[in-house]
Amino acid sequence: GQNIDQPTEMTATEGAIVQINCTYQTSGFNGLFWYQQHAGEAPTFLSYNVLDGLEEKGRFSSFLSRSKGYSYLLLKELQMKDSASYLCAFMDSNYQLIWGAGTKLIIKP
Amino acid sequence: TAGITQAPTSQILAAGRSMTLRCTQDMRHNAMYWYRQDLGLGLRLIHYSNTAGTTGKGEVPDGYSVSRANTDDFPLTLASAVPSQTSVYFCASSLGGTSGSDEQFFGPGTRLTVL
Repeated sequence: GQNIDQPTEMTATEGAIVQINCTYQTSGFNGLFWYQQHAGEAPTFLSYNVLDGLEEKGRFSSFLSRSKGYSYLLLKELQMKDSASYLCAFMDSNYQLIWGAGTKLIIKP
Repeated sequence: TAGITQAPTSQILAAGRSMTLRCTQDMRHNAMYWYRQDLGLGLRLIHYSNTAGTTGKGEVPDGYSVSRANTDDFPLTLASAVPSQTSVYFCASSLGGTSGSDEQFFGPGTRLTVL
């Protein structure tokens, strides 16, 4: 079967660093996506990993380990506007996205 | 460029009534998708279309139907709404094909309440 799991909620302080983990199980894998979703808005693309390792994009970085079925999203120099839900999704063998329930990130001053 | 639009923004619907949620994209994307998003659950795929003229069933297709008469439009119809269809509905589009890095672009969503 297929499944994907990420924490429901995390809290961090403005200016700090936070790591949001995502674990998945699937027999077919074509990459791992992270999306950001502010309350009441649509998800927007953050990153895509298909090979093992770290992809850095400004304050955001995403890591993938295919052998462990594990990814994380690292957010540095947190700003209040980073308060949002972060959605992890993997692309299965049929090129369909399987989504986690999302991690709500609360940033405190 | 508008990207991807949805209508209506929100709707309250009596159980048993039918309704069509509209979705239009101007990016000439081949693939389009309908998801529902419920609290505590991930986005769940209802139906998808890999190209104009074709459609497929996702994870939760029962009670919904779609059509893809052209590239731009992908309407979702609820034939006889039930309260369990209360949700936020997102339409998305992507270039499609078998590229793993096929980023999906989302519309603003339709908030539907079935009473």
